[in-house]
Amino acid sequence: ETGVTQSPTHLIKTRGQQVTLRCSSQSGHNTVSWYQQALGQGPQFIFQYYREEENGRGNFPPRFSGLQFPNYSSELNVNALELDDSALYLCASSSVASPLHFGNGTRLTVT
Amino acid sequence: DAKTTQPPSMDCAEGRAANLPCNHSTISGNEYVYWYRQIHSQGPQYIIHGLKNNETNEMASLIITEDRKSSTLILPHATLRDTAVYYCIVRVAGAGGTSYGKLTFGQGTILTVHP
Repeated sequence: ETGVTQSPTHLIKTRGQQVTLRCSSQSGHNTVSWYQQALGQGPQFIFQYYREEENGRGNFPPRFSGLQFPNYSSELNVNALELDDSALYLCASSSVASPLHFGNGTRLTVT
Repeated sequence: DAKTTQPPSMDCAEGRAANLPCNHSTISGNEYVYWYRQIHSQGPQYIIHGLKNNETNEMASLIITEDRKSSTLILPHATLRDTAVYYCIVRVAGAGGTSYGKLTFGQGTILTVHP
């Protein structure tokens, strides 16, 4: 059974740029959710995707957007990067009545 | 989702049991208790969850009080590799819904296992 994989593991971007992060779900999982974890804090829910549509969102602005593909993989896109967007971005996948399983994240640094 | 309260840090000697408490006094009848842990530089790892009965798996045991207002995660024989931040989370389990993929993380408990 393949777990949740994320790419890249590390990324450095400049303020104002755009970034795309990728996630492959665990086999058999059809729901993907994304989290932002600032240094020293717990992960914060960004949004979730089910059947290729966003169907739940946390307190994040519209410049955070995503996609889910037919194979249940997913992308997180962040436009107009700000310094405060520097964080660990975590992807989690799940299915009916299964716990969320997380990847090891992408460490984004905005300079 | 109900709020949880955990001690900010705990210590444990290697080989001894680690007992991590969690208060969730406002838990609803359809909310489960979940435990995750996060080892440095990794994503959160699922440990165990339960509704009202005690649960045990290969990683840990979960003891939930009869009134469900608190619970304890037990690592029976802690090792150095169990050093991590442990998160107690309560949420509704089940299919669908806009909050299905949402977990509300608090600050967690930093467990340090000493040799």
